[in-house]
Amino acid sequence: DAGVTQSPTHLIKTRGQQVTLRCSPKSGHDTVSWYQQALGQGPQFIFQYYEEEERQRGNFPDRFSGHQFPNYSSELNVNALLLGDSALYLCASSSGQGTSYEQYFGPGTRLTVT
Amino acid sequence: GQSLEQPSEVTAVEGAIVQINCTYQTSGFYGLSWYQQHDGGAPTFLSYNALDGLEETGRFSSFLSRSDSYGYLLLQELQMKDSASYFCAVRGDPASGGSYIPTFGRGTSLIVHP
Repeated sequence: DAGVTQSPTHLIKTRGQQVTLRCSPKSGHDTVSWYQQALGQGPQFIFQYYEEEERQRGNFPDRFSGHQFPNYSSELNVNALLLGDSALYLCASSSGQGTSYEQYFGPGTRLTVT
Repeated sequence: GQSLEQPSEVTAVEGAIVQINCTYQTSGFYGLSWYQQHDGGAPTFLSYNALDGLEETGRFSSFLSRSDSYGYLLLQELQMKDSASYFCAVRGDPASGGSYIPTFGRGTSLIVHP
């Protein structure tokens, strides 16, 4: 049973560019949440997707957007990259619109903005 | 909003017992989770407390006191592989104005010495 997978593993971008990160949830899970984790910090919630719609959003600007596909996989898009966007981006999957308390995290995508 | 406080670092020796504390603030409490994250790895779920008391899972136990807005993670028979960051995460009750989206603390770095 495959767990949560994310791609790419690492990414280097330049300020002002756009980036797309991808996530496939654990088998049987229908809810995907995205988190940003800066060095030495805890994960910060960006948004959650369920039934192909954004259901909850954290305190992140509109430059951060996402999508969920019918197979429950998801994308995170970040436009007009800033140096401060450099972080580990984590995808977490769960079931039942996130009402289940247990989330499974993917290995993350390490984004570096230069 | 939701916020948490946990120590930034804890050190201990192999075979010892260590306790990592977490205090939280939330609008309507739903549950407190604990996650472990090794350097460069994904957070992995350890335990969840919704009711007062102790939950035991092998060498790890987690305690909750809702009246004190306090919980702790207890690690027994410490091993070198337990060196990692440990995060507490609180979920609020939407019916009371909180959010069931978990808010993570900044993490506690546990260093286990031989």
